Formats: sequence, C-alpha cells, structure tokens
Amino acid sequence: DVKVTQSSRYLVKRTGEKVFLECVQDMDHENMFWYRQDPGLGLRLIYFSYDVKMKEKGDIPEGYSVSREKKERFSLILESASTNQTSMYLCASSLAGYEQYFGPGTRLTVT
Amino acid sequence: DAKTTQPTSMDCAEGRAANLPCNHSTISGNEYVYWYRQIHSQGPQYIIHGLKNNETNEMASLIITEDRKSSTLILPHATLRDTAVYYCIVRATGTASKLTFGTGTRLQVTL
Repeated sequence: DVKVTQSSRYLVKRTGEKVFLECVQDMDHENMFWYRQDPGLGLRLIYFSYDVKMKEKGDIPEGYSVSREKKERFSLILESASTNQTSMYLCASSLAGYEQYFGPGTRLTVT
Repeated sequence: DAKTTQPTSMDCAEGRAANLPCNHSTISGNEYVYWYRQIHSQGPQYIIHGLKNNETNEMASLIITEDRKSSTLILPHATLRDTAVYYCIVRATGTASKLTFGTGTRLQVTL
C-alpha cells in the first residue's frame, strides 16, 4: 500500500513564526502536491513538484514556499505565518499522470 | 478539466448498495472519471477511476454511460464506515495536474 505521512496531525503556531510542514511518501512517486482545505472552498493546490528540485506554483502559492531535495520528501514552508493560513494542509503523491494518494493532513492553527 | 455535478447529500441503509451519481456532460475524449472520498478529518482516499468501460475493484464499481456524460459509483454493501464525502473528478491523465475537488456528495450510512 502507498503510504504518505505528514509530520504532524495538529500544529499551533504564532503569527510571524516560520512553519515547516513535512511530507514523506514511500512509493517512489515522481509527483508530490500540497493542498489546503477550507470549509466551503474545497481543496486548493498550493504547489506541486514533478521531480527532485523542481516545483510549480498552484492556484494559491502566495505566502508559501516549498522544498524537494529528495524524491520521497516534499516540504511546505510558511515564511511568516498569518492567521489566514489557519487551515487543513494535505500532501499527496502520484506516479506521473495517475491517481493521487493523500496523507492524513495537518490541521494548522495560527494565533 | 470538465466540471462535474453531484447531489449534495444521500442516505443509505447499512448493508444496501449505495449508488452515487455524477454528471460530467462536458467531458473530453481524453479525460478520465476519478472518484475519491474523504472521511471526516482525514485526507481524501482514492477509490476508482475509468475512461469508458465499467470498472470494479475491491472497494467499488464504476459505471460510465455510453456517451460518457454521466457515471455512477456503486458501493455494493455499504457499512457505517463508508459514511464520507464522495468526490467525482474529471481530469486528463498523463499530466502532473491538480485534482479539482467540487463540493461532493455527503453519504450518510445508517443502521
């Protein structure tokens, strides 16, 4: 079975802090994705990566950056957390062009 | 990607088949129909996908009409653990494209 793990299920941070969300997949997938999910807005793509050190902006990249130094790991970075970044963050991975497998999510609260 | 339309909610008695419809009248020839579900507070889970033929796996069956403008996801013997939001998504394969989740169908399985 594909396994996608995320570093934390729940996280509470203060405004202005730098926040790192880590995602690891164990299936040698080329593609990895970061989404956020908010009530009434569905899932929105923040960034994705189709190879090591490659990244592409999604629909809402502002305020976020990403890092992919190894194939299995994709990190989402909030340079200076703000309250409007309180959300559920979901990581996913896939083989190129195939179904995406999601992690359990990280519920981030910024106070 | 083509847009999909699903009912907002459905109920199903435990042990009965759950039939979840989806309309995708603007689907293109190279677009697949994907189904995911999301159980409360968890990441979305891939269920099944198809192009034009009916598909079955250990979780569900997917019936696609001959004109491909609609499809039905069938859970043959629904259990309480199948209570979730079910998303029908249309996308072309072969790309590292995002998944566009709509509002989905909230399926409530009852005793």
